[in-house]
Amino acid sequence: GIQVEQSPPDLILQEGANSTLRCNFSDSVNNLQWFHQNPWGQLINLFYIPSGTKQNGRLSATTVATERYSLLYISSSQTTDSGVYFCAVPGNTGKLIFGQGTTLQVKP
Amino acid sequence: GAGVSQSPSNKVTEKGKDVELRCDPISGHTALYWYRQSLGQGLEFLIYFQGNSAPDKSGLPSDRFSAERTGGSVSTLTIQRTQQEDSAVYLCASSPTRDTQYFGPGTRLTVL
Repeated sequence: GIQVEQSPPDLILQEGANSTLRCNFSDSVNNLQWFHQNPWGQLINLFYIPSGTKQNGRLSATTVATERYSLLYISSSQTTDSGVYFCAVPGNTGKLIFGQGTTLQVKP
Repeated sequence: GAGVSQSPSNKVTEKGKDVELRCDPISGHTALYWYRQSLGQGLEFLIYFQGNSAPDKSGLPSDRFSAERTGGSVSTLTIQRTQQEDSAVYLCASSPTRDTQYFGPGTRLTVL
Protein backbone atom coordinates (compact mmCIF):
# COMPACT_ATOMS: atom_id res chain seq x y z
CA GLY A 1 0.00 0.00 0.00
CA ILE A 2 0.89 3.64 -0.18
CA GLN A 3 3.52 4.90 2.27
CA VAL A 4 3.58 8.38 3.78
CA GLU A 5 6.71 9.80 5.37
CA GLN A 6 7.02 13.09 7.20
CA SER A 7 10.07 15.05 8.15
CA PRO A 8 11.44 16.19 10.44
CA PRO A 9 9.93 14.06 13.21
CA ASP A 10 10.54 16.79 15.79
CA LEU A 11 11.10 20.51 15.50
CA ILE A 12 11.79 23.14 18.14
CA LEU A 13 11.46 26.78 17.17
CA GLN A 14 11.75 30.13 18.82
CA GLU A 15 8.61 32.24 18.56
CA GLY A 16 8.69 34.28 15.37
CA ALA A 17 10.75 31.80 13.36
CA ASN A 18 9.65 30.22 10.09
CA SER A 19 9.58 26.50 9.33
CA THR A 20 8.94 24.01 6.55
CA LEU A 21 7.45 20.57 7.13
CA ARG A 22 7.66 17.93 4.44
CA CYS A 23 5.42 15.03 3.45
CA ASN A 24 6.52 12.41 0.91
CA PHE A 25 4.20 9.77 -0.47
CA SER A 26 5.04 6.65 -2.42
CA ASP A 27 2.32 6.63 -5.08
CA SER A 28 0.21 9.07 -7.03
CA VAL A 29 -2.72 10.50 -5.09
CA ASN A 30 -5.75 12.58 -5.96
CA ASN A 31 -5.85 14.48 -2.72
CA LEU A 32 -3.84 15.30 0.36
CA GLN A 33 -4.79 16.81 3.70
CA TRP A 34 -2.73 18.57 6.36
CA PHE A 35 -3.93 18.49 9.96
CA HIS A 36 -2.81 20.08 13.21
CA GLN A 37 -3.39 18.01 16.34
CA ASN A 38 -3.62 20.36 19.27
CA PRO A 39 -2.53 19.47 22.82
CA TRP A 40 -6.08 18.28 23.58
CA GLY A 41 -5.90 15.74 20.76
CA GLN A 42 -8.29 17.43 18.36
CA LEU A 43 -7.38 17.08 14.67
CA ILE A 44 -7.90 20.41 12.97
CA ASN A 45 -8.13 20.59 9.18
CA LEU A 46 -5.51 22.92 7.79
CA PHE A 47 -5.52 22.28 4.06
CA TYR A 48 -7.08 20.05 1.48
CA ILE A 49 -4.48 20.36 -1.24
CA PRO A 50 -4.24 17.75 -4.01
CA SER A 51 -1.98 20.04 -6.03
CA GLY A 52 -0.77 23.61 -6.25
CA THR A 53 -0.42 26.13 -3.45
CA LYS A 54 -2.86 27.44 -0.87
CA GLN A 55 -2.45 30.04 1.85
CA ASN A 56 -4.35 30.66 5.04
CA GLY A 57 -2.93 33.41 7.19
CA ARG A 58 0.54 32.48 8.40
CA LEU A 59 0.23 28.98 6.97
CA SER A 60 0.64 27.88 3.40
CA ALA A 61 0.96 24.54 1.66
CA THR A 62 2.25 23.34 -1.66
CA THR A 63 1.72 19.92 -3.20
CA VAL A 64 3.74 18.77 -6.21
CA ALA A 65 1.77 15.68 -7.13
CA THR A 66 4.05 14.65 -10.00
CA GLU A 67 7.00 14.51 -7.60
CA ARG A 68 4.96 12.99 -4.75
CA TYR A 69 5.55 15.50 -2.00
CA SER A 70 3.84 18.28 -0.12
CA LEU A 71 5.24 21.08 2.02
CA LEU A 72 3.63 22.98 4.87
CA TYR A 73 5.08 26.40 5.64
CA ILE A 74 4.59 28.11 8.97
CA SER A 75 5.69 31.72 9.12
CA SER A 76 6.18 33.90 12.21
CA SER A 77 5.44 30.92 14.44
CA GLN A 78 3.50 31.39 17.68
CA THR A 79 3.33 29.22 20.79
CA THR A 80 -0.21 28.24 19.80
CA ASP A 81 1.25 26.56 16.71
CA SER A 82 2.72 23.86 18.95
CA GLY A 83 1.39 20.35 18.48
CA VAL A 84 1.67 17.56 15.97
CA TYR A 85 1.26 18.15 12.24
CA PHE A 86 0.03 15.26 10.12
CA CYS A 87 -0.32 14.83 6.41
CA ALA A 88 -2.64 12.17 5.05
CA VAL A 89 -3.48 10.76 1.65
CA PRO A 90 -6.38 8.53 0.63
CA GLY A 91 -6.04 4.80 0.21
CA ASN A 92 -8.75 2.71 -1.37
CA THR A 93 -12.31 3.57 -0.32
CA GLY A 94 -11.03 6.99 0.69
CA LYS A 95 -9.65 5.94 4.07
CA LEU A 96 -6.81 8.24 5.06
CA ILE A 97 -3.27 6.98 5.38
CA PHE A 98 -1.37 9.17 7.80
CA GLY A 99 2.28 9.96 8.14
CA GLN A 100 3.87 9.62 11.55
CA GLY A 101 3.65 13.36 12.14
CA THR A 102 5.99 16.22 12.94
CA THR A 103 5.93 17.35 16.56
CA LEU A 104 6.44 21.09 16.73
CA GLN A 105 7.31 22.99 19.87
CA VAL A 106 7.38 26.77 19.69
CA LYS A 107 9.15 28.40 22.61
CA PRO A 108 8.26 31.91 23.81
CA GLY B 1 -22.65 24.48 12.03
CA ALA B 2 -22.03 21.63 14.45
CA GLY B 3 -19.00 19.49 13.91
CA VAL B 4 -18.48 15.78 14.50
CA SER B 5 -19.23 14.83 18.09
CA GLN B 6 -18.12 11.76 20.00
CA SER B 7 -19.06 10.31 23.34
CA PRO B 8 -17.87 9.60 25.89
CA SER B 9 -14.78 11.80 25.80
CA ASN B 10 -13.04 9.45 28.21
CA LYS B 11 -13.73 5.85 29.13
CA VAL B 12 -11.93 3.75 31.70
CA THR B 13 -12.83 0.08 31.77
CA GLU B 14 -11.56 -3.17 33.17
CA LYS B 15 -9.99 -5.83 31.01
CA GLY B 16 -12.62 -8.21 29.68
CA LYS B 17 -15.50 -5.71 29.70
CA ASP B 18 -17.35 -4.56 26.58
CA VAL B 19 -17.41 -0.88 25.58
CA GLU B 20 -19.44 1.17 23.13
CA LEU B 21 -18.19 4.39 21.57
CA ARG B 22 -20.54 6.77 19.78
CA CYS B 23 -20.04 9.11 16.84
CA ASP B 24 -22.46 11.76 15.56
CA PRO B 25 -21.28 12.91 12.12
CA ILE B 26 -21.89 16.26 10.52
CA SER B 27 -25.45 16.37 9.23
CA GLY B 28 -25.66 15.39 5.58
CA HIS B 29 -22.27 13.70 5.44
CA THR B 30 -22.67 10.34 3.79
CA ALA B 31 -19.22 8.96 4.59
CA LEU B 32 -18.14 8.04 8.12
CA TYR B 33 -14.75 6.68 9.21
CA TRP B 34 -13.33 5.32 12.46
CA TYR B 35 -9.61 5.57 13.23
CA ARG B 36 -7.49 4.65 16.22
CA GLN B 37 -4.49 6.54 17.54
CA SER B 38 -2.18 4.52 19.78
CA LEU B 39 1.15 5.43 21.29
CA GLY B 40 3.80 4.26 18.91
CA GLN B 41 1.30 3.21 16.23
CA GLY B 42 0.17 6.52 14.81
CA LEU B 43 -3.26 6.92 13.27
CA GLU B 44 -4.80 3.73 11.88
CA PHE B 45 -7.94 3.24 9.84
CA LEU B 46 -10.53 0.89 11.35
CA ILE B 47 -13.79 0.96 9.37
CA TYR B 48 -15.62 3.03 6.73
CA PHE B 49 -19.33 3.53 6.03
CA GLN B 50 -20.67 5.08 2.83
CA GLY B 51 -24.42 5.50 2.53
CA ASN B 52 -26.18 2.15 2.32
CA SER B 53 -23.17 0.29 0.93
CA ALA B 54 -21.53 -2.56 2.79
CA PRO B 55 -18.91 -1.11 5.17
CA ASP B 56 -15.18 -1.50 4.58
CA LYS B 57 -14.07 -3.40 7.69
CA SER B 58 -10.55 -4.07 6.47
CA GLY B 59 -8.89 -2.10 9.28
CA LEU B 60 -10.57 -3.80 12.24
CA PRO B 61 -7.76 -5.47 14.23
CA SER B 62 -9.77 -8.46 15.48
CA ASP B 63 -13.27 -9.92 15.59
CA ARG B 64 -13.72 -8.31 19.00
CA PHE B 65 -14.26 -5.05 17.14
CA SER B 66 -17.48 -4.23 15.34
CA ALA B 67 -19.33 -1.12 14.26
CA GLU B 68 -22.69 -0.16 12.95
CA ARG B 69 -24.24 2.94 11.49
CA THR B 70 -27.96 3.34 11.97
CA GLY B 71 -30.09 5.35 9.59
CA GLY B 72 -27.04 6.60 7.75
CA SER B 73 -26.17 8.89 10.64
CA VAL B 74 -24.98 7.91 14.13
CA SER B 75 -22.35 5.20 14.41
CA THR B 76 -21.37 2.98 17.32
CA LEU B 77 -18.02 1.21 17.63
CA THR B 78 -18.17 -1.78 19.97
CA ILE B 79 -15.16 -3.50 21.47
CA GLN B 80 -15.90 -6.81 23.20
CA ARG B 81 -13.75 -8.37 25.91
CA THR B 82 -11.40 -5.38 25.98
CA GLN B 83 -7.67 -5.95 26.28
CA GLN B 84 -4.99 -3.56 27.50
CA GLU B 85 -3.67 -3.17 23.97
CA ASP B 86 -7.05 -1.66 23.02
CA SER B 87 -6.15 1.44 25.03
CA ALA B 88 -6.01 4.31 22.55
CA VAL B 89 -7.83 7.38 21.31
CA TYR B 90 -10.65 6.42 18.95
CA LEU B 91 -11.39 9.09 16.36
CA CYS B 92 -14.39 9.42 14.11
CA ALA B 93 -14.47 11.45 10.90
CA SER B 94 -17.18 12.29 8.41
CA SER B 95 -17.08 13.55 4.87
CA PRO B 96 -19.62 14.79 2.33
CA THR B 97 -17.73 12.97 -0.39
CA ARG B 98 -14.54 10.92 -0.42
CA ASP B 99 -12.48 14.09 -0.12
CA THR B 100 -12.03 16.25 2.94
CA GLN B 101 -12.60 14.44 6.23
CA TYR B 102 -13.60 16.27 9.40
CA PHE B 103 -12.65 14.73 12.71
CA GLY B 104 -14.38 14.61 16.06
CA PRO B 105 -12.60 15.22 19.38
CA GLY B 106 -12.07 11.50 20.00
CA THR B 107 -12.76 9.08 22.84
CA ARG B 108 -9.80 8.21 25.04
CA LEU B 109 -10.15 4.56 26.07
CA THR B 110 -8.12 3.18 28.94
CA VAL B 111 -8.28 -0.53 29.69
CA LEU B 112 -6.98 -1.42 33.14
